Order: sequence, then structure tokens, then C-alpha cells
Amino acid sequence: AQSVTQLGSHVSVSEGALVLLRCNYSSSVPPYLFWYVQYPNQGLQLLLKYTSAATLVKGINGFEAEFKKSETSFHLTKPSAHMSDAAEYFCAVSEGSNDYKLSFGAGTTVTVRA
Amino acid sequence: DAGVTQSPTHLIKTRGQQVTLRCSPKSGHDTVSWYQQALGQGPQFIFQYYEEEERQRGNFPDRFSGHQFPNYSSELNVNALLLGDSALYLCASSLDRRLGRNEQFFGPGTRLTVL
Repeated sequence: AQSVTQLGSHVSVSEGALVLLRCNYSSSVPPYLFWYVQYPNQGLQLLLKYTSAATLVKGINGFEAEFKKSETSFHLTKPSAHMSDAAEYFCAVSEGSNDYKLSFGAGTTVTVRA
Repeated sequence: DAGVTQSPTHLIKTRGQQVTLRCSPKSGHDTVSWYQQALGQGPQFIFQYYEEEERQRGNFPDRFSGHQFPNYSSELNVNALLLGDSALYLCASSLDRRLGRNEQFFGPGTRLTVL
């Protein structure tokens, strides 16, 4: 069974600073990995996904994530935070060709200080 | 191109009642998944429908049931509501994973409050 752990439920950054959100996964097979963002009172929007191609994945809004199999990690970064990045971020894993569900982490709330 | 739509936006029910939530998938998608997101938590998988059948189910009781129609839209039904069923219910659509597409697109959700 797969699972995801997001380290840090809250992250506060200054505008223009690096954003780093940590995600570690466990999976018995090579996983598919995703980062989603959720703005208040909205659904989830896909930021980026890893599906066994390039280990460095670029997404929307300047975000990127690196898949590190040896560390079972898929951390999300953005070089320069913008006020509009304030939201909740979820890491999710999907496993195997016959496993259709997404398993989500508990989420990390990002606040951006002016 | 319309994305995933859900109705209603908000709903208030009392304990013991039954509720039906509706979802229309993104154009061209044939698979619908439902998730429950309690306050302050990540979404939890309820079940997925493909070709009008439940293909996979998460760890939810039988009070949670669903249906998929020939036009790929879907309903989530919850019977005998409990206070703990209060949550944001998210619908996600995708193309059949066996086609190599595993990206799920989420709707805005239905906020269910059980009093």
C-alpha cells in the first residue's frame, strides 16, 4: 500500500524567498507522484506530476519537483515566492497499473509575508 | 472547455438523513472518482467509477454508494448521515488509466454540513 508524508503542516516565507515543501512517499512499486494546490474554498489544481520520465519535473506557476528514488522523496520548490502562492499544497501518490486511487498527504499551508 | 462541475455547492442536512451529490466530468473523460476531505486534512479516496461500474473502493462504509450514467456523469449517495460525514466532497475525472493517462482533474467540491 502506498502512503505520503508531508513534513511541516505550515510554512511561512517572505515574498521573493525560496519555497520548499517536503514530501516523502512509500510504495511497493514505482509510483506516480503529484503535487496539487488548493486555494480557499476551491477544488484541487494539478501543479505537476512525475510518471517515470525525467526526474526533475517542471510545473505551472514556476514550481518544480525532483524525484529521488534513493530518498523516496518528491520535494516541491519555487525559487521566488509570490503573494499569490499562499494556499494549501498536497502531495499525492498513485501506485501500479491496477491501482487507480490517489493517496494524499495531510497538506502544507503556505503563507507569504510581504 | 468546461472542467469538472459539481452540484450543489453547499448542503446542510441533519443526522440520519440521506444526501445525493452530483458530478459532471471534464469533456472527453470517462472515469470519475470521489474523495472526502475533512477540515484540515488531505482528501480520502471513496471510490472510482468506470464504464458505469465501481472499479475501486476506499475504506468507506456501505452507507456511501455511487452511480455512473452513460454520459459519464456520476452521483455520490450517503445514507444515514453522521456528524462525521461533514466534509468537502470532491469529484475528479480522468481518462481510463489503462490508456496511459493517470491525471485526475478536480471539481470545486460540495461542502456538506451535517447537524
